[in-house]
Amino acid sequence: QQPVQSPQAVILREGEDAVINCSSSKALYSVHWYRQKHGEAPVFLMILLKGGEQKGHEKISASFNEKKQQSSLYLTASQLSYSGTYFCGTEELGNTDKLIFGTGTRLQVFP
Amino acid sequence: DVKVTQSSRYLVKRTGEKVFLECVQDMDHENMFWYRQDPGLGLRLIYFSYDVKMKEKGDIPEGYSVSREKKERFSLILESASTNQTSMYLCASRGQSTEAFFGQGTRLTVV
Repeated sequence: QQPVQSPQAVILREGEDAVINCSSSKALYSVHWYRQKHGEAPVFLMILLKGGEQKGHEKISASFNEKKQQSSLYLTASQLSYSGTYFCGTEELGNTDKLIFGTGTRLQVFP
Repeated sequence: DVKVTQSSRYLVKRTGEKVFLECVQDMDHENMFWYRQDPGLGLRLIYFSYDVKMKEKGDIPEGYSVSREKKERFSLILESASTNQTSMYLCASRGQSTEAFFGQGTRLTVV
């Protein structure tokens, strides 16, 4: 079953912040985040493993709450280059390596 | 540079035709995936393979089959193409506990 992402779409001005959420009904081993620009393949951003860790990648960071089976992606001081569709991918406990992706969140950043 | 290569960027096929989508990876990855991407539905897993000749159904396997005779190659087969299979198809591969790498996608139109 696909994880559910919210919101479905976000429109920002440069410099504004955004949060994208990912929620699963299954117990999770890990959460991945990817960004896909129009006409291109999705590109990996980061992996979070069970243990509630938080990771950062420049001004993009994420958290993983394994008890709630939820992850959030934080985009700080957004740049034009952040525009694209963001996907979370999940690995379930007991069935790792199988990667299930979410419904996607379209982010548009304007000057 | 890591590479996942899909045999075609664009395909147009007739209803009822048997269609083969090919994917090759050069990273010696155990795991390979076929996803279907449709607006608003995100990336939906069709089939997953965790080893040569081993496969597992994803969320939407109906109307599709797969073949993995060699580690580097994973084929998606539409036994009898239908118009509701018009979509973008993405292949991906990953090692154990690593990020996924995607091909550029095949946009299939069934007329």
